[in-house]
Amino acid sequence: KAGVTQTPRYLIKTRGQQVTLSCSPISGHRSVSWYQQTPGQGLQFLFEYFSETQRNKGNFPGRFSGRQFSNSRSEMNVSTLELGDSALYLCASSPTTDGYTFGSGTRLTVV
Amino acid sequence: GQQLNQSPQSMFIQEGEDVSMNCTSSSIFNTWLWYKQDPGEGPVLLIALYKAGELTSNGRLTAQFGITRKDSFLNISASIPSDVGIYFCAGQLGSGGSNYKLTFGKGTLLTVNP
Repeated sequence: KAGVTQTPRYLIKTRGQQVTLSCSPISGHRSVSWYQQTPGQGLQFLFEYFSETQRNKGNFPGRFSGRQFSNSRSEMNVSTLELGDSALYLCASSPTTDGYTFGSGTRLTVV
Repeated sequence: GQQLNQSPQSMFIQEGEDVSMNCTSSSIFNTWLWYKQDPGEGPVLLIALYKAGELTSNGRLTAQFGITRKDSFLNISASIPSDVGIYFCAGQLGSGGSNYKLTFGKGTLLTVNP
């Protein structure tokens, strides 16, 4: 059974640019969540989608957005990148509301 | 907002020793989860707890959901070198509401000396 797949694994962007990260959940999982992991702040919740609807949103600026498609795949977008956006972005999927399985993440570096 | 205090921040132990780590919260959770993260990978779920007072084992790992719903601990018995990694606790409010996000502790870095 394939796990949660995140692409790309690594990304280097310049300040001011925008970036889109992709997440393919485990087949049959309808809930997808996104987290930002940094050494200073740890794992911080970004948002959660279920059946294409955003159910929860964390305390991040509006530059961070996401969406979920009808096949449950999800994307997150960060516009006007700042140096502080450098982090490991993790996607997690679940059949319903718990027992989240995480992907290996996308390591974003903003220079 | 909800905060989880996880301790200790790091542990350095000898192979074969038992390990204990815990998390406390300023507010209640209805689900407690324990994850392990290896370098360059995402967290892997070790144990999920759904009921106050629940004690659950997974091999050498044992975790408990505190009676007050504000704390949880994880024990690892007879540690081995592959136990090395960062262990995270996470709480989820959920349960009828729309708050399914996970709130994570800052992690416990475990080093096992062979």
